[in-house]
Amino acid sequence: QVQLVESGGGLVKPGGSLRLSCAASGFTFSDYYMSWIRQAPGKGLEWVSYIGSSSSYTNYGDSVTGRFTISRDNAKNSLYLQMNSLRVEDTAVYYCARRNCITTSCYLDYWGRGTLVTVSS
Amino acid sequence: DIQMTQSPSSLSASVGDRVTITCRASQNIRMYLNWYQHKPGEAPKLLIYSASSLQSGVPSRFSGSGSGTDFTLTISSLQPEDFATYYCQQTFSPPPWKFGQGTKVEIK
Repeated sequence: QVQLVESGGGLVKPGGSLRLSCAASGFTFSDYYMSWIRQAPGKGLEWVSYIGSSSSYTNYGDSVTGRFTISRDNAKNSLYLQMNSLRVEDTAVYYCARRNCITTSCYLDYWGRGTLVTVSS
Repeated sequence: DIQMTQSPSSLSASVGDRVTITCRASQNIRMYLNWYQHKPGEAPKLLIYSASSLQSGVPSRFSGSGSGTDFTLTISSLQPEDFATYYCQQTFSPPPWKFGQGTKVEIK
């Protein structure tokens, strides 16, 4: 069955860096676009980043552009999010999710349980 | 950017009630609207894609309707396991694919 397991979260000071990982299993990882979504405490879901199946396409939400970098290693079935210049407002649970499409209609059909990132001095 | 507005932001209902949640897009998104369910500490779950298509394994008490700018998620008979927060998401425009602000369904 499809599984997505995030790791790498933790406590970091403002201005610091952190690298999140998402280990995928149960499907052909290299066939799918992947996304990072986050949820700050008491807030809703926020789009963070998105990467094509061969890494040729990436996209970022306005609040993280220039600070976060998404990448993937298809040989290791893994997705990554390098987070630099972290701010207090980046505190959130970070989820990885798989994109699937039927014709032109796309959606996030599998999600991980998330990893908590806390940015605090 | 396309903005998604859900209403209500929260509601209280009893087991067995019919529940309706509305999502409005700031421009025409045709049928490119998805619904997710999220419970605390769990992975979000896809319920409905393309406005009205039920994701495999999702109970038939969940249904979606609408097109253009106005969409609805309906739970025909609320069950105890349905108490959660529900989000709509548009995928009409290129990413970022924004979510609505969420609707929390609580026990009355």
